[in-house]
Amino acid sequence: GENVEQHPSTLSVQEGDSAVIKCTYSDSASNYFPWYKQELGKRPQLIIDIRSNVGEKKDQRIAVTLNKTAKHFSLHITETQPEDSAVYFCAASRETSGSRLTFGEGTQLTVNP
Amino acid sequence: DSGVTQTPKHLITATGQRVTLRCSPRSGDLSVYWYQQSLDQGLQFLIQYYNGEERAKGNILERFSAQQFPDLHSELNLSSLELGDSALYFCASSPRIGAGSTDTQYFGPGTRLTVL
Repeated sequence: GENVEQHPSTLSVQEGDSAVIKCTYSDSASNYFPWYKQELGKRPQLIIDIRSNVGEKKDQRIAVTLNKTAKHFSLHITETQPEDSAVYFCAASRETSGSRLTFGEGTQLTVNP
Repeated sequence: DSGVTQTPKHLITATGQRVTLRCSPRSGDLSVYWYQQSLDQGLQFLIQYYNGEERAKGNILERFSAQQFPDLHSELNLSSLELGDSALYFCASSPRIGAGSTDTQYFGPGTRLTVL
């Protein structure tokens, strides 16, 4: 089955700096890669996603890049703010698996004012 | 608010007991997924239903079962509970399966289960 690895497990940045979180996946048939933000005790919230026919997607301060050949994808957050502090999860899925999401282990991002 | 609702919010019970968690998907969504989040296992897929039928199974224990009803709400039944079953249980929904693309999943607020 699919395996998703996520790095780093913790990331601390100063307000205004950029943050990058990286994930690798094992199943070359995976075609959908969402990123979720989860605050303590709350539900995972989708912040951005990318499909395998696209190499990069941007939404304001957030961008995701996908390298299908290397089987890795990354989340980039620019101009970080304290409210960006949360746990971020990457995930992968493919339609033929019923669209189940396989998650990475999460990255605790702390943005220091 | 994702539009996915889950009840109850919190559940405290004893080992050996049985509980039922309920999920109502977003209006119009046919697919429901259940995930378990524990400290040592992260977010793990349990099971998926699509329009009333089981579609995919993940690492779901035999003590756990689920179903999706004609009104599309879903219930996750956990029996013979053990201490290790304590976790956050999330339900997610999406409009459909496949048709050449993978649908976005929206998560409910979760049910926190504590087994004492």
